[in-house]
Amino acid sequence: QQQVKQSPQSLIVQKGGISIINCAYENTAFDYFPWYQQFPGKGPALLIAIRPDVSEKKEGRFTISFNKSAKQFSLHIMDSQPGDSATYFCAARTSGGYNKLIFGAGTRLAVHP
Amino acid sequence: EPEVTQTPSHQVTQMGQEVILRCVPISNHLYFYWYRQILGQKVEFLVSFYNNEISEKSEIFDDQFSVERPDGSNFTLKIRSTKLEDSAMYFCASRAGTGFDTQYFGPGTRLTVL
Repeated sequence: QQQVKQSPQSLIVQKGGISIINCAYENTAFDYFPWYQQFPGKGPALLIAIRPDVSEKKEGRFTISFNKSAKQFSLHIMDSQPGDSATYFCAARTSGGYNKLIFGAGTRLAVHP
Repeated sequence: EPEVTQTPSHQVTQMGQEVILRCVPISNHLYFYWYRQILGQKVEFLVSFYNNEISEKSEIFDDQFSVERPDGSNFTLKIRSTKLEDSAMYFCASRAGTGFDTQYFGPGTRLTVL
């Protein structure tokens, strides 16, 4: 089953707080896990991505934590800002073949000033 | 920075009409994709295209859908006879095809079927 489950559906965080979004997958035939940020009316934009042989990746205020044995990964946004308010999608890339992306359902993040 | 472009940004059509959505992937990318997003829902894979042929398609991509790369730059999605349920945002994506590379998405075309 190629599925990615994402939670929470929506998240409200105060400015300066930490936003945490979680994803879990079932299929082990995924080889790459990107996170996309989407603003209303725009296409998904790559935020950060991780390979399953790495447990953590940090880029600026954004960190992915990856737990291969639990088949879970999460996005942490440190010092959340109002400009971070967007919908965040986790995704998993199928290995081999032509590497389509399977997306989670999305998390709508609102950062209040 | 290179980007994927899509036209039109918004397409309104009558049910049963044919529509063609256009995309210009990033040059030198080899793999091309179409995804769709029904309002408020997740992004869903439709089809992947490589070496001038469909490499994989989802169950959504039925006989009413087709893709084409008519020249060296454009990548199109055609819906032959649109249905109300085809109303969605359609995103084109491309990737270079070099190992753990990323799919870059275009801004999307909002298709409204009346």
